[in-house]
Amino acid sequence: GESVGLHLPTLSVQEGDNSIINCAYSNSASDYFIWYKQESGKGPQFIIDIRSNMDKRQGQRVTVLLNKTVKHLSLQIAATQPGDSAVYFCAEKGTSYDKVIFGPGTSLSVIP
Amino acid sequence: NAGVTQTPKFRILKIGQSMTLQCTQDMNHNYMYWYRQDPGMGLKLIYYSVGAGITDKGEVPNGYNVSRSTTEDFPLRLELAAPSQTSVYFCASSLSGTGREKLFFGSGTQLSVL
Repeated sequence: GESVGLHLPTLSVQEGDNSIINCAYSNSASDYFIWYKQESGKGPQFIIDIRSNMDKRQGQRVTVLLNKTVKHLSLQIAATQPGDSAVYFCAEKGTSYDKVIFGPGTSLSVIP
Repeated sequence: NAGVTQTPKFRILKIGQSMTLQCTQDMNHNYMYWYRQDPGMGLKLIYYSVGAGITDKGEVPNGYNVSRSTTEDFPLRLELAAPSQTSVYFCASSLSGTGREKLFFGSGTQLSVL
């Protein structure tokens, strides 16, 4: 069946360092991947997305890398700030279905 | 622009009680979703709708029902509450076509069944 999972459930980084959050997926039919950020007590918020015809996409301080060979994607946050502390979810979707499937999430803690 | 609004924010139910979680969006989105999030876990899709009058099951639909009589509203119904339904429930919406994968979430309803 479909599954999207993360290698590390928690991650602590020093303020100013770069953060890398990893995600594995198992459905080869997935062709669209999204990263969401969920702050405490709030709903998830869209961060960045990437389609399967790309292997890298950059946003403001964030970069998503996609490796289709090993079914892996990562979210890189540059110069991590205290406001980046949150749970980060990867999600996947395929062209043949309308459902967006979420992984279990990684909790990022930024140490001042 | 309010976005996606969920009510109530918190609710405690007794086993066997029923309730409806309300969700409304003012972005004219065709797609709407209900997810549940258990502590320390990811989001599981309960039901979704691609437009008024159309609903479909997600990953964990048992024990829930939905309806979509208007574009704006997508209520989630629990008929016989069970402790296993203790969770945080999120409603989300998105555009149809290209961009439908970018979900806009409400702030959630925390439900406890005791």
